[in-house]
Amino acid sequence: KQEVTQIPAALSVPEGENLVLNCSFTDSAIYNLQWFRQDPGKGLTSLLLIQSSQREQTSGRLNASLDKSSGRSTLYIAASQPGDSATYLCAVPDNYGQNFVFGPGTRLSVLP
Amino acid sequence: DVKVTQSSRYLVKRTGEKVFLECVQDMDHENMFWYRQDPGLGLRLIYFSYDVKMKEKGDIPEGYSVSREKKERFSLILESASTNQTSMYLCASSFLVGEAFFGQGTRLTVV
Repeated sequence: KQEVTQIPAALSVPEGENLVLNCSFTDSAIYNLQWFRQDPGKGLTSLLLIQSSQREQTSGRLNASLDKSSGRSTLYIAASQPGDSATYLCAVPDNYGQNFVFGPGTRLSVLP
Repeated sequence: DVKVTQSSRYLVKRTGEKVFLECVQDMDHENMFWYRQDPGLGLRLIYFSYDVKMKEKGDIPEGYSVSREKKERFSLILESASTNQTSMYLCASSFLVGEAFFGQGTRLTVV
């Protein structure tokens, strides 16, 4: 059964720092991996989707990489801003490809 | 832009009431999902649907039912609301193994 973990659980950094969020999954036979952002009391916003054939995806200051063989993905945020403060979750399709398995999230605080 | 719209942001209902949560997506996605999210427990799948009139139980279906009469609409029903169903409810849609898109969430309080 696919399991997803995220490290660290929480992170607090000063504005301007580059930072890395980690996501690990137990079954490397995935179709894709998706990163989300969630603001308090809101739904999840899709940030990046990496297909299994890709190594990385970029959107603005965000870069996500995928290493299927080691069961890892990283989300790199460049030049962090207070507006980046949120919880970041990663997710992969389950073994049947019908549902998603979510990590517990990393709660990020960027201090001005 | 893909849009997934949930009918309410906030709801307050009384114990024993029948509650309907509605979700509509505009991207012709086959799959639609209902999750609940509680502090420390993460997202838990209640039900999902992979086609009109088709539904599958998720991890915590007890006390809930769903309806999918049209492809774009997926309804979550609490037959008799209880206080332990106070939670954030999230609807999502996707193509098969495709990118998932979420609604804005419904914060339900049962008193």
